[in-house]
Amino acid sequence: GAVVSQHPSRVICKSGTSVKIECRSLDFQATTMFWYRQFPKQSLMLMATSNEGSKATYEQGVEKDKFLINHASLTLSTLTVTSAHPEDSSFYICSANGLARPENEQFFGPGTRLTVL
Amino acid sequence: AQTVTQSQPEMSVQEAETVTLSCTYDTSESDYYLFWYKQPPSRQMILVIRQEAYKQQNATENRFSVNFQKAAKSFSLKISDSQLGDAAMYFCAYRSSLTGANSKLTFGKGITLSVRP
Repeated sequence: GAVVSQHPSRVICKSGTSVKIECRSLDFQATTMFWYRQFPKQSLMLMATSNEGSKATYEQGVEKDKFLINHASLTLSTLTVTSAHPEDSSFYICSANGLARPENEQFFGPGTRLTVL
Repeated sequence: AQTVTQSQPEMSVQEAETVTLSCTYDTSESDYYLFWYKQPPSRQMILVIRQEAYKQQNATENRFSVNFQKAAKSFSLKISDSQLGDAAMYFCAYRSSLTGANSKLTFGKGITLSVRP
Protein backbone atom coordinates (compact mmCIF):
# COMPACT_ATOMS: atom_id res chain seq x y z
CA GLY A 1 0.00 0.00 0.00
CA ALA A 2 0.84 3.72 0.14
CA VAL A 3 1.82 4.05 -3.50
CA VAL A 4 2.34 7.40 -5.16
CA SER A 5 2.71 7.61 -8.92
CA GLN A 6 3.96 10.36 -11.17
CA HIS A 7 3.35 10.88 -14.84
CA PRO A 8 5.25 11.27 -17.03
CA SER A 9 8.50 9.78 -15.75
CA ARG A 10 10.47 11.69 -18.36
CA VAL A 11 9.56 14.64 -20.55
CA ILE A 12 11.49 16.67 -23.08
CA CYS A 13 10.04 19.93 -24.27
CA LYS A 14 11.02 22.99 -26.23
CA SER A 15 11.80 26.28 -24.57
CA GLY A 16 8.70 28.41 -24.13
CA THR A 17 6.22 25.56 -23.88
CA SER A 18 4.33 24.40 -20.80
CA VAL A 19 4.58 20.99 -19.20
CA LYS A 20 2.18 19.32 -16.78
CA ILE A 21 3.28 16.69 -14.27
CA GLU A 22 0.72 14.58 -12.43
CA CYS A 23 1.05 13.12 -8.96
CA ARG A 24 -1.45 10.51 -7.82
CA SER A 25 -1.96 8.62 -4.59
CA LEU A 26 -3.10 5.21 -5.79
CA ASP A 27 -4.39 3.50 -2.68
CA PHE A 28 -5.07 6.26 -0.19
CA GLN A 29 -6.51 9.73 -0.03
CA ALA A 30 -3.91 12.47 0.27
CA THR A 31 -4.86 15.54 2.25
CA THR A 32 -1.57 17.21 1.54
CA MET A 33 0.91 16.84 -1.29
CA PHE A 34 4.36 18.31 -1.56
CA TRP A 35 6.39 19.18 -4.64
CA TYR A 36 10.17 19.07 -4.63
CA ARG A 37 12.87 19.89 -7.09
CA GLN A 38 16.21 18.11 -7.12
CA PHE A 39 19.38 18.81 -9.06
CA PRO A 40 21.98 16.05 -9.57
CA LYS A 41 23.87 15.09 -6.43
CA GLN A 42 21.92 17.63 -4.39
CA SER A 43 19.19 17.49 -1.81
CA LEU A 44 15.47 17.87 -2.33
CA MET A 45 14.27 21.44 -2.34
CA LEU A 46 10.66 21.95 -1.33
CA MET A 47 8.82 24.08 -3.85
CA ALA A 48 5.28 24.11 -2.49
CA THR A 49 2.70 22.43 -0.31
CA SER A 50 -0.73 21.76 -1.74
CA ASN A 51 -3.95 20.94 0.07
CA GLU A 52 -7.00 19.52 -1.65
CA GLY A 53 -9.40 22.26 -2.66
CA SER A 54 -7.23 25.19 -1.66
CA LYS A 55 -4.39 27.26 -3.04
CA ALA A 56 -0.87 25.94 -2.75
CA THR A 57 1.62 27.45 -0.33
CA TYR A 58 4.85 28.25 -2.09
CA GLU A 59 8.29 28.37 -0.53
CA GLN A 60 10.23 31.58 -0.62
CA GLY A 61 11.87 32.18 -3.95
CA VAL A 62 9.58 29.88 -5.94
CA GLU A 63 7.68 31.69 -8.69
CA LYS A 64 3.97 31.04 -8.26
CA ASP A 65 3.12 32.07 -11.81
CA LYS A 66 5.75 29.81 -13.28
CA PHE A 67 5.05 26.70 -11.25
CA LEU A 68 1.29 26.28 -11.12
CA ILE A 69 0.04 23.71 -8.63
CA ASN A 70 -3.48 22.35 -8.53
CA HIS A 71 -4.78 19.82 -5.98
CA ALA A 72 -8.20 19.15 -7.43
CA SER A 73 -8.98 15.93 -5.61
CA LEU A 74 -7.81 13.82 -2.71
CA THR A 75 -5.81 11.62 -5.09
CA LEU A 76 -4.41 14.04 -7.66
CA SER A 77 -2.12 17.04 -7.66
CA THR A 78 -0.59 18.59 -10.76
CA LEU A 79 2.45 20.78 -11.31
CA THR A 80 2.53 22.84 -14.48
CA VAL A 81 5.79 24.44 -15.50
CA THR A 82 4.76 27.38 -17.66
CA SER A 83 6.95 28.86 -20.38
CA ALA A 84 9.70 26.41 -19.54
CA HIS A 85 13.33 27.38 -20.05
CA PRO A 86 16.50 25.28 -19.97
CA GLU A 87 17.19 26.34 -16.37
CA ASP A 88 13.93 24.62 -15.38
CA SER A 89 15.44 21.29 -16.38
CA SER A 90 15.52 19.23 -13.22
CA PHE A 91 14.08 16.22 -11.41
CA TYR A 92 10.68 16.91 -9.87
CA ILE A 93 9.40 14.73 -7.04
CA CYS A 94 6.03 14.75 -5.31
CA SER A 95 5.09 13.27 -1.99
CA ALA A 96 1.80 12.79 -0.17
CA ASN A 97 0.36 12.54 3.33
CA GLY A 98 -2.70 10.39 3.75
CA LEU A 99 -5.94 10.72 5.64
CA ALA A 100 -5.70 7.18 6.93
CA ARG A 101 -1.93 7.02 7.20
CA PRO A 102 0.31 7.93 10.08
CA GLU A 103 0.64 11.67 9.95
CA ASN A 104 4.33 11.43 10.45
CA GLU A 105 5.16 9.78 7.16
CA GLN A 106 5.27 11.10 3.62
CA PHE A 107 5.12 8.77 0.64
CA PHE A 108 7.18 9.72 -2.38
CA GLY A 109 6.50 9.37 -6.07
CA PRO A 110 9.21 8.06 -8.41
CA GLY A 111 9.95 11.49 -9.83
CA THR A 112 9.79 13.15 -13.24
CA ARG A 113 12.85 14.17 -15.20
CA LEU A 114 12.21 17.36 -17.14
CA THR A 115 14.55 18.42 -19.92
CA VAL A 116 13.95 21.74 -21.63
CA LEU A 117 15.75 22.22 -24.93
CA ALA B 1 13.55 27.52 11.55
CA GLN B 2 14.85 24.01 11.75
CA THR B 3 18.06 22.98 10.06
CA VAL B 4 19.56 19.58 9.31
CA THR B 5 23.28 19.16 8.77
CA GLN B 6 25.06 16.30 7.10
CA SER B 7 28.67 17.34 6.99
CA GLN B 8 30.13 14.35 5.17
CA PRO B 9 29.40 14.45 1.42
CA GLU B 10 30.73 10.96 0.74
CA MET B 11 31.59 7.77 2.56
CA SER B 12 32.78 4.36 1.53
CA VAL B 13 32.42 1.01 3.28
CA GLN B 14 33.64 -2.49 2.58
CA GLU B 15 30.94 -5.05 1.91
CA ALA B 16 29.86 -6.84 5.13
CA GLU B 17 31.35 -4.11 7.30
CA THR B 18 29.54 -1.51 9.41
CA VAL B 19 29.27 2.18 8.59
CA THR B 20 27.80 5.12 10.47
CA LEU B 21 26.35 8.17 8.76
CA SER B 22 26.20 11.36 10.81
CA CYS B 23 23.43 13.91 11.10
CA THR B 24 22.84 16.83 13.42
CA TYR B 25 19.87 19.13 13.57
CA ASP B 26 18.76 22.29 15.22
CA THR B 27 15.30 22.99 16.59
CA SER B 28 13.59 24.71 19.47
CA GLU B 29 10.75 22.19 19.49
CA SER B 30 10.50 19.31 21.91
CA ASP B 31 8.34 16.99 19.86
CA TYR B 32 9.27 16.05 16.31
CA TYR B 33 10.18 13.21 14.00
CA LEU B 34 13.49 12.30 12.43
CA PHE B 35 13.99 10.17 9.36
CA TRP B 36 16.64 8.61 7.22
CA TYR B 37 15.78 8.24 3.54
CA LYS B 38 17.68 6.28 0.93
CA GLN B 39 17.80 7.42 -2.70
CA PRO B 40 19.33 4.78 -4.99
CA PRO B 41 20.29 5.49 -8.62
CA SER B 42 16.63 5.05 -9.60
CA ARG B 43 16.02 8.21 -7.51
CA GLN B 44 13.00 6.74 -5.75
CA MET B 45 13.00 7.98 -2.17
CA ILE B 46 12.81 5.07 0.27
CA LEU B 47 12.16 5.47 3.98
CA VAL B 48 14.87 3.62 5.88
CA ILE B 49 14.02 4.39 9.48
CA ARG B 50 11.97 6.77 11.61
CA GLN B 51 12.45 8.05 15.14
CA GLU B 52 9.91 9.86 17.29
CA ALA B 53 11.62 12.40 19.53
CA TYR B 54 9.53 11.46 22.57
CA LYS B 55 10.82 7.90 22.44
CA GLN B 56 14.06 7.29 24.27
CA GLN B 57 14.64 3.93 22.64
CA ASN B 58 16.64 4.01 19.44
CA ALA B 59 14.78 2.78 16.38
CA THR B 60 16.00 -0.31 14.55
CA GLU B 61 14.98 -1.88 11.25
CA ASN B 62 16.86 -5.07 10.51
CA ARG B 63 20.44 -4.02 9.60
CA PHE B 64 19.67 -0.35 10.14
CA SER B 65 19.72 1.34 13.51
CA VAL B 66 20.00 4.88 14.79
CA ASN B 67 21.80 6.55 17.64
CA PHE B 68 19.44 9.30 18.73
CA GLN B 69 20.93 11.79 21.16
CA LYS B 70 18.19 14.35 21.82
CA ALA B 71 20.21 16.64 24.05
CA ALA B 72 23.04 16.74 21.55
CA LYS B 73 20.60 16.97 18.63
CA SER B 74 22.34 14.15 16.90
CA PHE B 75 20.78 11.40 14.81
CA SER B 76 23.24 9.00 13.22
CA LEU B 77 22.44 5.96 11.10
CA LYS B 78 24.35 2.71 11.48
CA ILE B 79 24.28 0.19 8.67
CA SER B 80 25.49 -3.24 9.69
CA ASP B 81 26.66 -5.99 7.34
CA SER B 82 26.74 -3.55 4.43
CA GLN B 83 25.53 -4.89 1.11
CA LEU B 84 26.15 -3.72 -2.43
CA GLY B 85 22.52 -2.68 -2.62
CA ASP B 86 23.06 -0.20 0.18
CA ALA B 87 25.01 2.03 -2.18
CA ALA B 88 22.92 5.16 -2.54
CA MET B 89 22.49 8.71 -1.42
CA TYR B 90 21.18 8.97 2.15
CA PHE B 91 19.25 11.93 3.49
CA CYS B 92 18.55 12.81 7.07
CA ALA B 93 15.27 14.67 7.54
CA TYR B 94 13.35 16.48 10.27
CA ARG B 95 9.64 16.97 10.61
CA SER B 96 7.78 18.96 13.21
CA SER B 97 4.83 17.36 14.96
CA LEU B 98 3.05 20.67 15.44
CA THR B 99 1.32 21.16 12.10
CA GLY B 100 0.06 17.67 11.39
CA ALA B 101 -0.43 16.73 7.76
CA ASN B 102 0.93 20.06 6.52
CA SER B 103 4.20 19.54 8.28
CA LYS B 104 7.01 19.58 5.77
CA LEU B 105 10.26 17.67 5.78
CA THR B 106 13.53 19.53 6.16
CA PHE B 107 16.32 17.59 4.48
CA GLY B 108 20.04 17.58 4.99
CA LYS B 109 22.35 17.86 1.99
CA GLY B 110 22.74 14.12 1.80
CA ILE B 111 25.66 11.73 1.78
CA THR B 112 26.70 9.44 -1.02
CA LEU B 113 27.54 5.99 0.28
CA SER B 114 29.55 3.61 -1.85
CA VAL B 115 30.04 -0.06 -1.00
CA ARG B 116 33.25 -1.80 -2.05
CA PRO B 117 32.94 -5.47 -3.00
